[in-house]
Amino acid sequence: DAKTTQPPSMDCAEGRAANLPCNHSTISGNEYVYWYRQIHSQGPQYIIHGLKNNETNEMASLIITEDRKSSTLILPHATLRDTAVYYCIVRGNYGQNFVFGPGTRLSVLP
Amino acid sequence: DGGITQSPKYLFRKEGQNVTLSCEQNLNHDAMYWYRQDPGQGLRLIYYSQIVNDFQKGDIAEGYSVSREKKESFPLTVTSAQKNPTAFYLCASSIVHVSYNEQFFGPGTRLTVL
Repeated sequence: DAKTTQPPSMDCAEGRAANLPCNHSTISGNEYVYWYRQIHSQGPQYIIHGLKNNETNEMASLIITEDRKSSTLILPHATLRDTAVYYCIVRGNYGQNFVFGPGTRLSVLP
Repeated sequence: DGGITQSPKYLFRKEGQNVTLSCEQNLNHDAMYWYRQDPGQGLRLIYYSQIVNDFQKGDIAEGYSVSREKKESFPLTVTSAQKNPTAFYLCASSIVHVSYNEQFFGPGTRLTVL
């Protein structure tokens, strides 16, 4: 599996967009980009995933660069409840497992 | 409600005792996973199973054992051979798909060995 690099922490003002970057320069063609988040002392929660195209769901948007070497998770209107650790994971096909790094600790400030 | 349950939420054991953590899912998922999380760290894979009666070691399997006798259940035993068992343990499940699989996580069990 390709490795990912994320900033260890970020702050965001409540109501503003939170943009969380992830570098995955060694990603291969069949690997998906997944995002999860973990609120303190709970199990991780799936947010979104994508392969090549940008994706949007009710929680967030995922922007993947054309060369697929980096991506950005966007929380359009961050709330205090979005304070969590966000994990960017790159995973390939059947049989490969998720590798959770330290992630980015997002603090949404009032 | 469909989901994954882990019990208990908090568990205390004396050093040298084996302890079994429960994980049950009613999502009809074929694959199940156990992860360990230490404070301020990411998740590390202990064991995983993609089908009943079969399982594979993850990155940190030493001192742990599992069984998969039923599709719904994947208990983890932390043995006395595990040198530093105090941690947060997370169970997950997923479908087995050729291209992608979203993992669903349980609420976790926090194990403290005294």
